[in-house]
Amino acid sequence: DQQVKQNSPSLSVQEGRISILNCDYTNSMFDYFLWYKKYPAEGPTFLISISSIKDKNEDGRFTVFLNKSAKHLSLHIVPSQPGDSAVYFCAARKTSYDKVIFGPGTSLSVIP
Amino acid sequence: KAGVTQTPRYLIKTRGQQVTLSCSPISGHRSVSWYQQTPGQGLQFLFEYFSETQRNKGNFPGRFSGRQFSNSRSEMNVSTLELGDSALYLCASSPGPGGPHNEQFFGPGTRLTVL
Repeated sequence: DQQVKQNSPSLSVQEGRISILNCDYTNSMFDYFLWYKKYPAEGPTFLISISSIKDKNEDGRFTVFLNKSAKHLSLHIVPSQPGDSAVYFCAARKTSYDKVIFGPGTSLSVIP
Repeated sequence: KAGVTQTPRYLIKTRGQQVTLSCSPISGHRSVSWYQQTPGQGLQFLFEYFSETQRNKGNFPGRFSGRQFSNSRSEMNVSTLELGDSALYLCASSPGPGGPHNEQFFGPGTRLTVL
């Protein structure tokens, strides 16, 4: 039973446009959400996070939105750049002491 | 500060064999987690160690085990390898469990192929 879902395995976006990566979760106990980016042959790197007490967190070109009632979060990248081409993993955990549960990932391709 | 290192980077084994993977966390980090990554499944949590004690465990069979040493280095072992164990095994370190911003820093992974 996958508690964190990323229903789009891949996404293609033109350079300069907005990339929107979506994530749904099933466990209402999740309290903290994270996004990681992974390039081939490298480990995932932390990108941005959001606590359940917030509905938006912004860091430069990256913004994460959280809709708790819908159990949905999204990552917006504006403007998209070719270097953003990578696999993006959505992740969640119940408490700060709990294990992190990852989604299956979305492969983003930003076309120059 | 050096990042998380994993050895070996690539490994080829045959069914029935066992394998040991090693992870050295970032200096000062005391928590180490292990994940299995396969296509379409994302990162599946294996276990987490902190101060030489297993804190959390995922839903993997007993063939998967791990340990942590006093210097925070960690090893994971897979016995009686099966074809389905072929995957990228990732290690992640963090300063410790808890905290408002428990980011994990990942190593490059060990690519295990079981023939």
